[in-house]
Amino acid sequence: GAVVSQHPSRVICKSGTSVKIECRSLDFQATTMFWYRQFPKQSLMLMATSNEGSKATYEQGVEKDKFLINHASLTLSTLTVTSAHPEDSSFYICSQVRASTDTQYFGPGTRLTVL
Amino acid sequence: EDKVVQSPLSLVVHEGDTVTLNCSYEVTNFRSLLWYKQEKKAPTFLFMLTSSGIEKKSGRLSSILDKKELSSILNITATQTGDSAIYLCAVDPQGAQKLVFGQGTRLTINP
Repeated sequence: GAVVSQHPSRVICKSGTSVKIECRSLDFQATTMFWYRQFPKQSLMLMATSNEGSKATYEQGVEKDKFLINHASLTLSTLTVTSAHPEDSSFYICSQVRASTDTQYFGPGTRLTVL
Repeated sequence: EDKVVQSPLSLVVHEGDTVTLNCSYEVTNFRSLLWYKQEKKAPTFLFMLTSSGIEKKSGRLSSILDKKELSSILNITATQTGDSAIYLCAVDPQGAQKLVFGQGTRLTINP
């Protein structure tokens, strides 16, 4: 069964608004979660690493003030796309590492469309 | 810059055929290579490879890593329509689980 959930699965918003995406661990605690972005017909690109109780670390080229990450508990990380623009339209996927298998499990993704 | 390249980008075959998908990588360090299957939503884990020459198998799928050639292949035998998906190859270059993905191979199995 699913080990990672995301909410919402799909969101459409107007340009300039902010959108929050939740990523939840369903059956284990995760001190680290990852956020990826996937543009149409492209592969997944790592955006940032979310660390429970501390600041996220962002990959080069990803604006930390635009993509706010909060990892307030061991089972929840949130990504907020602030002042969204059409070019932010993408598929956002979170993932977690299960320590016992050292394997990354992905959430079902959130498709964001900014009009 | 760490890079993962997959080929072919797209492949269409008939049910029952055997397919081989390729993945090559250039990374500063190497810890593991992973294969994922992505249908409409998020990728699902298939294999993790760390050692060269050791085949991993799961049903009709198998995969092997060649560290000398910096590459891996994913084989699917007796393909079924349910195998239609995008197959992603990823490398964990630093051992920090910060995966670098290839572009994916879009596999279509026609009945």
